Amino acid sequence: DQQVKQNSPSLSVQEGRISILNCDYTNSMFDYFLWYKKYPAEGPTFLISISSIKDKNEDGRFTVFLNKSAKHLSLHIVPSQPGDSAVYFCAASGYTSGSRLTFGEGTQLTVNP
Amino acid sequence: KAGVTQTPRYLIKTRGQQVTLSCSPISGHRSVSWYQQTPGQGLQFLFEYFSETQRNKGNFPGRFSGRQFSNSRSEMNVSTLELGDSALYLCASSLMGGGALETQYFGPGTRLLVL
Repeated sequence: DQQVKQNSPSLSVQEGRISILNCDYTNSMFDYFLWYKKYPAEGPTFLISISSIKDKNEDGRFTVFLNKSAKHLSLHIVPSQPGDSAVYFCAASGYTSGSRLTFGEGTQLTVNP
Repeated sequence: KAGVTQTPRYLIKTRGQQVTLSCSPISGHRSVSWYQQTPGQGLQFLFEYFSETQRNKGNFPGRFSGRQFSNSRSEMNVSTLELGDSALYLCASSLMGGGALETQYFGPGTRLLVL
């Protein structure tokens, strides 16, 4: 049972344009959501997070939107840069799950110069 | 402040052997979690240790075990290795492992290949 899903395995955008990565979840107990970026041969690097009491969180070029009624979140990167090319993972945790993170399958973002 | 470190970075073992992986968390972090990443299953939670006690466990067989020492360093052991255990094993640390609103920081991982 995949509780966190990233339906797009890959996404390709032009440098300077917006990248939108999507994530859906099914578990209503999730109340904290995170995005991680992963380069080959490295561990995931924390990017940005959002609590279920908010619907938007910004950090520089990165913005995460949360739609609780649709159980959907998205990560917007504006403007996209070639260095953003990586695999992006959406992850979720809940009050009852402690530190356990449930991850999506990841989306490979390629930003073309 | 140094990040999460994992040793070794790469390992090759044969079926039936056992393996021990090590993780040193960020200084001051007391929670250590382990994840397995495979192409087919993505990142799967193995277990979490806090103050030398296993506090949370994922859906993995008993061949996967771990422990945590008083300095918060953690080890993960896999016994009777199977081909399907080939994966990237990631360790993550956080201050208290409180879940919501507490970010976990990952190490570079140990790439295990079972032949």
